[in-house]
Amino acid sequence: GDSVTQMEGPVTLSEEAFLTINCTYTATGYPSLFWYVQYPGEGLQLLLKATKADDKGSNKGFEATYRKETTSFHLEKGSVQVSDSAVYFCALRGYTGNQFYFGTGTSLTVIP
Amino acid sequence: GAGVSQSPRYKVTKRGQDVALRCDPISGHVSLYWYRQALGQGPEFLTYFNYEAQQDKSGLPNDRFSAERPEGSISTLTIQRTEQRDSAMYRCASSPGRGLVSPLHFGNGTRLTVT
Repeated sequence: GDSVTQMEGPVTLSEEAFLTINCTYTATGYPSLFWYVQYPGEGLQLLLKATKADDKGSNKGFEATYRKETTSFHLEKGSVQVSDSAVYFCALRGYTGNQFYFGTGTSLTVIP
Repeated sequence: GAGVSQSPRYKVTKRGQDVALRCDPISGHVSLYWYRQALGQGPEFLTYFNYEAQQDKSGLPNDRFSAERPEGSISTLTIQRTEQRDSAMYRCASSPGRGLVSPLHFGNGTRLTVT
């Protein structure tokens, strides 16, 4: 079945460091891919999405490219800020459009 | 506009009691999903609705769990005879439709603690 595998955390970075959080997926057909962010004490918020191969989703300085050849959707940011400290979830919407599958989340802490 | 609203925000109940968790989706959203999230884990699918029809309930752990959305808007997740292992964050999400590009919009969740 469809699934998402996400790199385990926690990840601790200094401010202005480069961030990569790896995400790979298994799916039939052509799923849509998402990154969600959960700030402390809040619900999950959509960060970015990509709906077909080679699409690049971007928002708030974060980017992720839908790579069908490597079945990956890695999240990147060139220069993290303290305010980026949160838990990041990779997610997949299956080809039938009915089901969403989430990774286990990666906790990011950015220190000044 | 208003987002997905869940109530109560926190619920503490004794083992064996029934609880009802409410979700008010974004107005006009066709699909409504229930997830359960344990600490340090990603959301785990429970069930989902299109309009008032429950399309998939394969994620409900057992027959103590049920959900309804009688008028295609507000939904209630009911847990009967609660057990300590039911303690978790329960999250509701809604989506505009069945299109592949539609993301989920989450509420802030209900933290359930069974003592």
